[in-house]
Amino acid sequence: GIQVEQSPPDLILQEGANSTLRCNFSDSVNNLQWFHQNPWGQLINLFYIPSGTKQNGRLSATTVATERYSLLYISSSQTTDSGVYFCAVDGSGNTGKLIFGQGTTLQVKP
Amino acid sequence: DAGVIQSPRHEVTEMGQEVTLRCKPISGHNSLFWYRQTMMRGLELLIYFNNNVPIDDSGMPEDRFSAKMPNASFSTLKIQPSEPRDSAVYFCASSPGYSYEQYFGPGTRLTVT
Repeated sequence: GIQVEQSPPDLILQEGANSTLRCNFSDSVNNLQWFHQNPWGQLINLFYIPSGTKQNGRLSATTVATERYSLLYISSSQTTDSGVYFCAVDGSGNTGKLIFGQGTTLQVKP
Repeated sequence: DAGVIQSPRHEVTEMGQEVTLRCKPISGHNSLFWYRQTMMRGLELLIYFNNNVPIDDSGMPEDRFSAKMPNASFSTLKIQPSEPRDSAVYFCASSPGYSYEQYFGPGTRLTVT
């Protein structure tokens, strides 16, 4: 099945810094989503981005489907950005089965 | 929109007891998914439904697990009998259809002692 790898596994930032999280996948995808799991365990949708670039406030994402990777950019980080960021893909023939990466744990210090 | 609703939010039970987790998807969504999150295995899909019909249950760990979707607005995940290794957070998600954006509920944290 499709493999999803995220990097880095852990990231510590000072408030105000910028960061880039990466998601590599081993096969073509029909769906790619980025989620933020906050310290209370909620999974919050950030982007639905099987291809192209999207922006939402301080966050933006780019997926280059032909090269099988996606990037999540966080600018001017805030302490509320702390948590785990997951990339999830559906590569199994357009069935909707999301395969999750292991996540990047982000800690933003004040 | 109320989002995906799950109940209970927390469940503590003893080994051997039956556990039933409940989910109400977002109105109008045709696909419903059950996921489990553990430290060891991360987030993994257990089963999903499309138009109330189970499509793929290959992620269900064993026969102790069963899931139903009797109508478009309700689904259950049942574990009978429960075991300590079933302790995890169980998420329900829904989407408008295949390969559309999935929206997750708040999860049920299950502890089996």
